[in-house]
Amino acid sequence: SAVISQKPSRDICQRGTSLTIQCQVDSQVTMMFWYRQQPGQSLTLIATANQGSEATYESGFVIDKFPISRPNLTFSTLTVSNMSPEDSSIYLCSDRTGANEQFFGPGTRLTVL
Amino acid sequence: QKEVEQNSGPLSVPEGAIASLNCTYSDRGSQSFFWYRQYSGKSPELIMSIYSNGDKEDGRFTAQLNKASQYVSLLIRDSQPSDSATYLCAVLRGGTSYGKLTFGQGTILTVHP
Repeated sequence: SAVISQKPSRDICQRGTSLTIQCQVDSQVTMMFWYRQQPGQSLTLIATANQGSEATYESGFVIDKFPISRPNLTFSTLTVSNMSPEDSSIYLCSDRTGANEQFFGPGTRLTVL
Repeated sequence: QKEVEQNSGPLSVPEGAIASLNCTYSDRGSQSFFWYRQYSGKSPELIMSIYSNGDKEDGRFTAQLNKASQYVSLLIRDSQPSDSATYLCAVLRGGTSYGKLTFGQGTILTVHP
């Protein structure tokens, strides 16, 4: 599986600001995904990011709040915009192999005050 | 009905025992099934993938799939304290490589010495 890294690993942000999370994969991948894991909860898919096309958002998530870029086959960013304390979560990026297996980056732990 | 359902536990077993984790899913067209292990403060780690009815063994882990009953399970033999974690069942919905990976709520497993 590819090695996935994320930056930052954690951050504490003020209400109303925005944070951009970077995800780097060490090999080219077609499909990348962004998930959110709220405290004590399971993983919820935010959006699918394929290179060369607009991200596809899941119900309850909108582009204005979570803009995503996918400039090439190894990199993606997720921005959490106009943050509120409810956005405090772990944000995870993920890729999918040809065998449909998905692997996750180490996550970004976000706290919004 | 939840798309992927697990007993949240917690499940507590003594060291050396067999831990049995269960999962049911609602989408009959699902073709790929996964078990992830998540230690506290870490991202999910893929431990088993299963695609066909029956059993699949990997070391101390055995995944079992019954598509007719829409049921997938994970057995951990000779459980060790290091197996204590949250186990997430995930189902790739849609029957294609472009489907959505949906997670259950997770089962917390504690293996006590």
